Amino acid sequence: DQQVKQNSPSLSVQEGRISILNCDYTNSMFDYFLWYKKYPAEGPTFLISISSIKDKNEDGRFTVFLNKSAKHLSLHIVPSQPGDSAVYFCAASALDTGGFKTIFGAGTRLFVKA
Amino acid sequence: DAGVTQSPTHLIKTRGQHVTLRCSPISGHKSVSWYQQVLGQGPQFIFQYYEKEERGRGNFPDRFSARQFPNYSSELNVNALLLGDSALYLCASSLSETGYSPLHFGNGTRLTVT
Repeated sequence: DQQVKQNSPSLSVQEGRISILNCDYTNSMFDYFLWYKKYPAEGPTFLISISSIKDKNEDGRFTVFLNKSAKHLSLHIVPSQPGDSAVYFCAASALDTGGFKTIFGAGTRLFVKA
Repeated sequence: DAGVTQSPTHLIKTRGQHVTLRCSPISGHKSVSWYQQVLGQGPQFIFQYYEKEERGRGNFPDRFSARQFPNYSSELNVNALLLGDSALYLCASSLSETGYSPLHFGNGTRLTVT
């Protein structure tokens, strides 16, 4: 049961253009959403988050948009740089009967071409 | 400041054996979570501990157990290893008892079961 889905395994973008990574979730209990970036041989690194009471959060080149009615969030990177090439994970958090959990999607590999 | 440290970095075990993985959180972080990541998937939640108490558990068999020590470091134990336990095991620490603060990941322990 995949509660957090990233349907695009990979994405290729030209340097300087916008990268848009998408994520869908099924559990309406999720109320905190995060994006992480992962380079090979390293653990995931936190990028940006958004609470369910907001629909947009911006940090430099990174913006996360949340559409609660559609249970969809996206990460926009503008402008994309070659150093952004990595695997990006969407994650969602909720408190349920089993305690607090953060569930990750399968990831999208971003290639930024110079 | 030291980040999350995990040991060992790599480990090879045979089926049926037992393994202990160790994690030291960022100084000041009282919450530690464990994740399993297999190739092509996102991190799968195993456990969360806060102040030495289990606060969350994912859908893993009872062969998986963990504990947190007074200095907030943690161990993940896996008994009766199966081939399917081969994965990258990630430890993450955070400030918050809940998931409403970002996770800071270590670089993981790569476990191979033969």
